[in-house]
Amino acid sequence: GQNIDQPTEMTATEGAIVQINCTYQTSGFNGLFWYQQHAGEAPTFLSYNVLDGLEEKGRFSSFLSRSKGYSYLLLKELQMKDSASYLCATMDSNYQLIWGAGTKLIIKP
Amino acid sequence: IAGITQAPTSQILAAGRRMTLRCTQDMRHNAMYWYRQDLGLGLRLIHYSNTAGTTGKGEVPDGYSVSRANTDDFPLTLASAVPSQTSVYFCASSDSRGLGTGELFFGEGSRLTVL
Repeated sequence: GQNIDQPTEMTATEGAIVQINCTYQTSGFNGLFWYQQHAGEAPTFLSYNVLDGLEEKGRFSSFLSRSKGYSYLLLKELQMKDSASYLCATMDSNYQLIWGAGTKLIIKP
Repeated sequence: IAGITQAPTSQILAAGRRMTLRCTQDMRHNAMYWYRQDLGLGLRLIHYSNTAGTTGKGEVPDGYSVSRANTDDFPLTLASAVPSQTSVYFCASSDSRGLGTGELFFGEGSRLTVL
């Protein structure tokens, strides 16, 4: 079956670094996405990985290992506004997105 | 209008009533989607449309119908609402399906409560 696992909740301190992990099992693979969703708002696109390795975009980086079915989102220099849910999603062989339940990130001063 | 607009933003509905959630995009995207989001679960695809005039069933299509008469509009209809359809509904679009990053652009969501 198809499955995506990510932690339900994480807590980190302002200014620190946090890594949110995502493991997946899907029928075929056409890329992995990370989205950010603030409470009561719509998800917004953060990153897309289709090849192994690290993609860096400002304070956010996303890593993919296709052989391990594993990805992580790395957030540096955490700010209070980074408090949100982070959604991991993979695109399967039918180009359909399979979503994880999301990781709620709480930033403390 | 810039992006995707959903209406209504919130609605309380009696069970058995018919309800249509509206979705309009002005980005000329070919693909459009309807998801529902429930606490503790990932976004689940209800229906999708790869291009105007075509629609397809997603993961949880029962009790819902859609139409795609033109590129911009993609309404979702609940023919006879039931309490299990209480959820937040998101409409989304992308300029391709299976090409490029496939980045989705989401509307602000419609919070539906069925009593």
